[in-house]
Amino acid sequence: DTAVSQTPKYLVTQMGNDKSIKCEQNLGHDTMYWYKQDSKKFLKIMFSYNNKELIINETVPNRFSPKSPDKAHLNLHINSLELGDSAVYFCASSQFGASGNHETQYFGPGTRLLVL
Amino acid sequence: GDSVTQMEGPVTLSEEAFLTINCTYTATGYPSLFWYVQYPGEGLQLLLKATKADDKGSNKGFEATYRKETTSFHLEKGSVQVSDSAVYFCALCANAGKSTFGDGTTLTVKP
Repeated sequence: DTAVSQTPKYLVTQMGNDKSIKCEQNLGHDTMYWYKQDSKKFLKIMFSYNNKELIINETVPNRFSPKSPDKAHLNLHINSLELGDSAVYFCASSQFGASGNHETQYFGPGTRLLVL
Repeated sequence: GDSVTQMEGPVTLSEEAFLTINCTYTATGYPSLFWYVQYPGEGLQLLLKATKADDKGSNKGFEATYRKETTSFHLEKGSVQVSDSAVYFCALCANAGKSTFGDGTTLTVKP
């Protein structure tokens, strides 16, 4: 069983389009995240949800909108895609405050987005 | 704010060489410290962690010791293999719900 899954794995689209990436975790965690990894492998947190509530919202363009229908799902919708949005997007989950700050994050396999 | 600084890469070693990847951190309170590994084409996965000062995390021959006095968590392995080629991320968690990652160090091991 895949602990954190994302769909699609690859996404190639034209500039200006709107697209969504879906994430699901079956670990029973209550916190989920979206990260962006650029071509130099730098990892940047975008959003974090705890029990469907937004708790981290880093400086991300308004074109990016996360939605958490329940604790096990966190989707990312991107409007008006731009060339600079090309990257690998990772979903992750953890249990909030597990044993203090011992929060291991569990990552999905990533969605490779290419904007042409 | 919290920050993690790790050794810049890329690092290229021959098989069976000794590996050290340096990691230092700045954080308020008492963070937990982590090393994650990312194999090509995959997501990050936990390699090892330490939750308090002087703890040693270990896994797959890798080790790191939580040094509060030097705010460091250096990753070491005595004899690397080609299969260890990956990107390694040092990270900390000082506040529930948010982890801070370093910039990653790419390791290539040649046969």
